Amino acid sequence: ETGVTQSPTHLIKTRGQQVTLRCSSQSGHNTVSWYQQALGQGPQFIFQYYREEENGRGNFPPRFSGLQFPNYSSELNVNALELDDSALYLCASSSDRGLSRQETQYFGPGTRLLVL
Amino acid sequence: GQQLNQSPQSMFIQEGEDVSMNCTSSSIFNTWLWYKQDPGEGPVLLIALYKAGELTSNGRLTAQFGITRKDSFLNISASIPSDVGIYFCAGQLGGANSKLTFGKGITLSVRP
Repeated sequence: ETGVTQSPTHLIKTRGQQVTLRCSSQSGHNTVSWYQQALGQGPQFIFQYYREEENGRGNFPPRFSGLQFPNYSSELNVNALELDDSALYLCASSSDRGLSRQETQYFGPGTRLLVL
Repeated sequence: GQQLNQSPQSMFIQEGEDVSMNCTSSSIFNTWLWYKQDPGEGPVLLIALYKAGELTSNGRLTAQFGITRKDSFLNISASIPSDVGIYFCAGQLGGANSKLTFGKGITLSVRP
């Protein structure tokens, strides 16, 4: 158990709809990164949130957006869903405090999104 | 987006055997990590490597950070059935907060 939680676990939407996924970071972690994992692929970096602002973005269109709250939890929003958005969405929490050499990103269980 | 190179896509071994997996990149990384993912779960960190040439062990797992900083390998000794899963390598260019670049993963099957 990494202490990172995500909700919901599964979701089915239709093309054109909007979706919001949620992530609670591990205690003591102030940074949340979001990844998209298509079937048979490795996770792809979407963006990262730090101090409630976007702090780096991968090759994803603007209809992928996010938020981070004062308690460091985060949301991923996807507008105008497309069939190719079907994937496992993972969040990972980490800390910028560099307290330990072993500090790295710890993943939640993911939300599986199916777009029909 | 960029992905690291992992091959083959699948590996089949007998329980008790050792297995080695390699991961390569066209660009350098400052940190290499190995994750294992079980069905329906997120990736779980196995080993992190922070220095070129570093060799690190975690139980039956041993991983090395290549001296060129463009590759890493993971070795699993005396495999057991619970080693079944997908093994991903990942690279980071910055610190612990920087984005992870993953390989496509290797699916490991262990025959009892």
